[in-house]
Amino acid sequence: QITLKESGPTLVKPTQTLTLTCTFSGFSLSTSGVGVGWIRQPPGKALEWLALIYWDDDKRYSPSLKSRLTITKDTSKNQVVLTMTNMDPVDTATYYCAHRRSGSIWFLDYWGPGTLVTVSS
Amino acid sequence: SSELTQDPAVSVALGQTVRITCQGDSLRSYYASWYQQKPGQAPVLVIYGKNNRPSGIPDRFSGSSSGNTASLTITGAQAEDEADYYCNSRDSSGKHWVFGGGTKLTVL
Repeated sequence: QITLKESGPTLVKPTQTLTLTCTFSGFSLSTSGVGVGWIRQPPGKALEWLALIYWDDDKRYSPSLKSRLTITKDTSKNQVVLTMTNMDPVDTATYYCAHRRSGSIWFLDYWGPGTLVTVSS
Repeated sequence: SSELTQDPAVSVALGQTVRITCQGDSLRSYYASWYQQKPGQAPVLVIYGKNNRPSGIPDRFSGSSSGNTASLTITGAQAEDEADYYCNSRDSSGKHWVFGGGTKLTVL
């Protein structure tokens, strides 16, 4: 059974760096084709794809946020970490991590429950 | 603005059929996946690939695609299908991914 869970601060101040951890079980991020992605959703708004890291350490970032994002993995700990620099109140959102199944078709089949991050002074 | 365009809201009478669409140039080359999200919950995958349902998703959910438009069809909508629905696919570069703006489905 695949599960994922996000963890990190619930409140950050403007200009600070946000560090979120996705801890997962039921799969290995060393399995060919597997990936873990991050998606966020501001209150009352749409989903926004942020970043994805593959089993082979290939990393993809949203072009609009690329300069602020870093995604890394620790396969031994079954964790993926996302950092976002220079946080702003508009970055207030629920942040989700999700599992990307191996294969030629891209989709996210398991999601964590999400963690709400508020950016405020 | 998103590279995938969805109608903001759609309504359907209980037991009737509804189609939710997603438009974007990248859909001519890549499949869309569809996610259902109920208030306060994480999104749930309902359709992926050409027309595949994950285990546990009712067969009243189906997917299709034509040209630059992907569609999610619910045949015989139920009250529990009331939710926001998001499409997701690659962007025009093919290197990244985008979500549509979401469609709020109301079951009357």
